[in-house]
Amino acid sequence: DGGITQSPKYLFRKEGQNVTLSCEQNLNHDAMYWYRQDPGQGLRLIYYSQIVNDFQKGDIAEGYSVSREKKESFPLTVTSAQKNPTAFYLCASSTTGTPGNTIYFGEGSWLTVV
Amino acid sequence: AQKITQTQPGMFVQEKEAVTLDCTYDTSDPSYGLFWYKQPSSGEMIFLIYQGSYDQQNATEGRYSLNFQKARKSANLVISASQLGDSAMYFCAMREGRGIQGAQKLVFGQGTRLTINP
Repeated sequence: DGGITQSPKYLFRKEGQNVTLSCEQNLNHDAMYWYRQDPGQGLRLIYYSQIVNDFQKGDIAEGYSVSREKKESFPLTVTSAQKNPTAFYLCASSTTGTPGNTIYFGEGSWLTVV
Repeated sequence: AQKITQTQPGMFVQEKEAVTLDCTYDTSDPSYGLFWYKQPSSGEMIFLIYQGSYDQQNATEGRYSLNFQKARKSANLVISASQLGDSAMYFCAMREGRGIQGAQKLVFGQGTRLTINP
């Protein structure tokens, strides 16, 4: 089935450690996104990529890094510089050629810093 | 400035009643798109309905319809004949630009928690 796969679903990290969240899509979408959601809040854009080997900062990029070496994959690294990393992280993908309801989300990853 | 405002933190509705979830937006771009997503407790974002700024008619998808009032910059979601399974968080989101080229970056509201009572 086509879709977006995020892993792991739950992740615990010690303070000072980097952690990488995986996002893979088989929808042949050019654009991919990472959003962060805090409890009771809406989503905020961390990074996005419109094409392989290119990515742009979103509204809250500090303390995060990404790469886009393959069209299907857009991993997010939460670095030790991110002061409050405990949150729910959602990956999404979309086409870039047509407007409308072509934005799909993965099931999310819960990150807890212990 | 807040681009998407959802003024109802929580709503309680009796099963089978219709419910309207409010959303107002702010943009100076004449081209934009408005989305509604449902987020159950499991966390995934489920797309419900989309309205483009140039669409002449209000969007409808099954039991969902979007009451689009462009002059008021409002895009309320109407759910007819509510069901227990409709209990979830609901988010309104906006994409500025036509979305034909480049990424479709979304700005989200704070959400409304809808509870359907039997």
